Amino acid sequence: SQQGEEDPQALSIQEGENATMNCSYKTSINNLQWYRQNSGRGLVHLILIRSNEREKHSGRLRVTLDTSKKSSSLLITASRAADTASYFCATEYSGGSNYKLTFGKGTLLTVNP
Amino acid sequence: GAGVSQTPSNKVTEKGKYVELRCDPISGHTALYWYRQSLGQGPEFLIYFQGTGAADDSGLPNDRFFAVRPEGSVSTLKIQRTERGDSAVYLCASSLLGHDTEAFFGQGTRLTVV
Repeated sequence: SQQGEEDPQALSIQEGENATMNCSYKTSINNLQWYRQNSGRGLVHLILIRSNEREKHSGRLRVTLDTSKKSSSLLITASRAADTASYFCATEYSGGSNYKLTFGKGTLLTVNP
Repeated sequence: GAGVSQTPSNKVTEKGKYVELRCDPISGHTALYWYRQSLGQGPEFLIYFQGTGAADDSGLPNDRFFAVRPEGSVSTLKIQRTERGDSAVYLCASSLLGHDTEAFFGQGTRLTVV
């Protein structure tokens, strides 16, 4: 079963605009990760935020985590056409030694040139 | 190799046939995962290896699915008596052991059962 839910399911913006995607999850986590996927194949790791962190930056990416609301957001600033892809949040459940990830259904981002 | 390698990249098989999907993880990565992704969905966990042993196979949908990692490196996902509902992209990932580690994904095998 999928733990996370991304919102919106699809997002279309113009190049140069910012894109914000949200993720909600259900159980206690060790960390939350964001991945990017082009053309339905391999996933590329973007950023990991630990449960005791509230905000993290990496280049044009900004991730926030609110464990009280069990939600996270991914902000991509100054978007480019090359940012067009599906974006997934994934959580690592905190209840044991298993490090498996539970993914949401993803947000399809389209950046129009 | 530099990344996780999966072969074949595409596999078309007839209903009822047996298939094997191979994953070659990043050298030194003790943890290996298989996920399955259907169209329009996020990846769903199938099985997790810690070294040679399957530490968690709770995501395998039924006993037609089996995976091995005999030497703690290459892993093979085996599907018996394939069904059309098995059609999906099968993704393999590897990582170092421990929490808060990045998982590196292969490009996946797109399995189509006709």
